[in-house]
Parts: sequence; C-alpha cells; structure tokens
Amino acid sequence: DGGITQSPKYLFRKEGQNVTLSCEQNLNHDAMYWYRQDPGQGLRLIYYSQIVNDFQKGDIAEGYSVSREKKESFPLTVTSAQKNPTAFYLCASRQQGAGNEKLFFGSGTQLSVL
Amino acid sequence: GESVGLHLPTLSVQEGDNSIINCAYSNSASDYFIWYKQESGKGPQFIIDIRSNMDKRQGQRVTVLLNKTVKHLSLQIAATQPGDSAVYFCAETPNYGQNFVFGPGTRLSVLP
Repeated sequence: DGGITQSPKYLFRKEGQNVTLSCEQNLNHDAMYWYRQDPGQGLRLIYYSQIVNDFQKGDIAEGYSVSREKKESFPLTVTSAQKNPTAFYLCASRQQGAGNEKLFFGSGTQLSVL
Repeated sequence: GESVGLHLPTLSVQEGDNSIINCAYSNSASDYFIWYKQESGKGPQFIIDIRSNMDKRQGQRVTVLLNKTVKHLSLQIAATQPGDSAVYFCAETPNYGQNFVFGPGTRLSVLP
C-alpha cells in the first residue's frame, strides 16, 4: 500500500528534550517536506529536501533540524531550542518537475509539551 | 488530539444542499492551485487542482472555479453528505510546486 507513514501519532516532549518525528514514503518521490500546523493558521514550511543529502530551510526552521540520508526517509528533530513546539506536524512528498506539483501528505504527528 | 481548525470560519449546510467554500489567494504569479480536505486528527487529502490557464475544473461532485482578476478560488461540493464534514483549505504556488502557500481553512459542518 503506497503512501507516507508518519510516526508516532502522538508525542510528548519534556523541557530541554529533543524529540524526533519519523516520516517514510514508498512513493519514490524526490522531494519531501515538513510543515507545522497551528489552530486557525495555514500550514507553515519548516524544512524541505529536493534530493538525497540536500535540504533547505523553510519559513520557520529555527529550533528544528532534519536529515535526508535515504530517498524514502526524512526525519524531523524538534530541539530544545524550539520554545513553542506544541503543534500538529505534517510530512509531505511529491515528484519533482512541472506537472507534478501535487503534494501527498502523511497522517500527522501531534506533539505536546509535558 | 485535535489541533486543527479550532478557530476557523465555519460553513454549515443541510445534507443534500450544495456547498461553496471560498479562498482568496495572495500572489498574482501563482499558476497552480489545490484544494485539500482534512478530517480531524488526519493529514490533508487531495480533492481537486487547477492551473492558471483554466477557470473551471470539475471532478466527482466537486468543481473548482478560478477568478484570476480578483485572485479568488472557490470549491463547490454538490449534494453535500455527512462524510464531507471536515476542514477545507486551498494552496497556491507560483513555481511548479517548490513553495506552496496555504490558506487557513474553512470548517464545513453538514447538518442532518
């Protein structure tokens, strides 16, 4: 069954702790994205990667880090420097190139602070 | 675990009626637009898309209208069903999907 798998579905972070959100896709897509969703706001881009071993900061990258060691995986680490991490995090992917703009999303991870 | 849409505008419609959800976009250079549906606690699902060289596109029970003059996008859902209840949001991109801008969304509530 093809798609994007995010885990865990719920995650709790303690003060000063780093946590990592997993995102795996078996769609053979080149580009992967991480978005943050807060109530009443549109999705905001944290980081994106267009190819393995390369990634770019989005609009709200501070306090987050990513890696892209494999085409199918794009984990997001929420570091202790992110002072307001409570949000719903969405991973997305798409194929590169004109005509392939459509973003496919995972089911999301809800991160809360203890 | 819902964190989506707590303070969104809401559209309430009777089951069987048609729904119209509107979206104003910001960039006159945007050339591709998408509508997504998001149910509580889930990721967004693709509904329909449209390119800027079109002003209307139809899918199954859904129609998207694009008015580039006033930078306005609308989603029409025919014969709204209870399963259509969700948050709907639009997205635009000016550069082949490299950078999408997402609207905040509208909550659609279908009344029995």
